[in-house]
Amino acid sequence: EVQLKESGPGLVQPSQTLSLTCTVSGFSLTDYSVHWVRQPPGKGLEWMGVMWSGGSTAYNSALKSRLSISRDTSKSQVFLKMNSLQTEDTAIYYCTRVLGFWGQGVMVTVSS
Amino acid sequence: DVVMTQTPPSLSVAIGQSVSISCKSSQSLVYSDGKTYLHWLLQSPGRSPKRLIYQVSNLGSGVPDRFSGTGSQKDFTLKISRVEAEDLGVYYCAQTTHFPLTFGSGTKLEIK
Repeated sequence: EVQLKESGPGLVQPSQTLSLTCTVSGFSLTDYSVHWVRQPPGKGLEWMGVMWSGGSTAYNSALKSRLSISRDTSKSQVFLKMNSLQTEDTAIYYCTRVLGFWGQGVMVTVSS
Repeated sequence: DVVMTQTPPSLSVAIGQSVSISCKSSQSLVYSDGKTYLHWLLQSPGRSPKRLIYQVSNLGSGVPDRFSGTGSQKDFTLKISRVEAEDLGVYYCAQTTHFPLTFGSGTKLEIK
């Protein structure tokens, strides 16, 4: 069974760095890409970036200067790091396998 | 970026009725391989998005055949026949043909 699960802190202070982990099961990261998508409260979906199965990455240009995605295939984990957080980064963060399978999401609040 | 324009923004429908949601893209969604990577998602209240339809008209696993997708190039439609109570939520179209991936702004379906 394909599963994805996000984990990370629920609260981050402004200007700090967000670190999230997506742990997957039921498939290999070397066979499928994993994307990060976020959703501010009450708003729509925004694509953030992708870890391709081959190990390369691509980012939304609006976030590229602040965003980094990496992985550990031995642990079946994909990592998201985003620095210089602001209140507008408050959102539910999802990892998804090409939109076909989604994690439960993790709510991240940026506040002092 | 490809802009996905969804209409209407909201719908109120009685159980058993049929509804259609439109999604128009600012560019053709036909990829170089000849396939069209237009998908429909449903986000039920408090839940992660779930993919209903992929590549315009293919039903996702376990999705009832009350859902159907049509369209080509830049103009797409999701139809729900015989709406049931469990269909309420926000419907999104999404394209994965071009980078960055982009989503429509959503159509909120309410049950009368």
